[in-house]
Amino acid sequence: KQEVTQIPAALSVPEGENLVLNCSFTDSAIYNLQWFRQDPGKGLTSLLLIQSSQREQTSGRLNASLDKSSGRSTLYIAASQPGDSATYLCAVRGNTDKLIFGTGTRLQVFP
Amino acid sequence: EAQVTQNPRYLITVTGKKLTVTCSQNMNHEYMSWYRQDPGLGLRQIYYSMNVEVTDKGDVPEGYKVSRKEKRNFPLILESPSPNQTSLYFCASGPGQGKTGNQPQHFGDGTRLSIL
Repeated sequence: KQEVTQIPAALSVPEGENLVLNCSFTDSAIYNLQWFRQDPGKGLTSLLLIQSSQREQTSGRLNASLDKSSGRSTLYIAASQPGDSATYLCAVRGNTDKLIFGTGTRLQVFP
Repeated sequence: EAQVTQNPRYLITVTGKKLTVTCSQNMNHEYMSWYRQDPGLGLRQIYYSMNVEVTDKGDVPEGYKVSRKEKRNFPLILESPSPNQTSLYFCASGPGQGKTGNQPQHFGDGTRLSIL
């Protein structure tokens, strides 16, 4: 059974720092991995999707990497800003359409 | 604009009073799904649908029903709600397996249900 773990559960950093959020999964037979952002009281916004054949994806200040064989993904946030404060979720998709979610990393970036 | 729309956004109700949460998507997606999100447990799938008239149980289906009569709509029905169904609910849609399956799934803004 696939399990997804995110470390750390919470993170508080000053503005301007570069950050790494971690996601690990137990079954390497994944179809893709998706990173989401969730703001309080809001839905999930898709940030990046990495296909199983890819090593990384980039969007602006965000870079996500995938090492399928070791069951790990990282989300790198460059030059963090207070507006980046949110909960970040990773989710893996296996051979069905179901997404298996981690419990998230709550990020706070203070000025 | 690609959207998944849920209604209502917030609902407080009492035990046993039937309720329906609606979900609609405008992307012609075949796959739709319901999740609930609880502190410490993350998001767990309740039910999903691969296409019209095709639905199946997820990981936590007890106490819920769904229907898929039209491609765009996927309502979640609580026939006799109980306090343990107090949660934040999300509807999601995607193109479906094998149908440009590496496109991201889209989520609604969530429905916060409180069952007293």
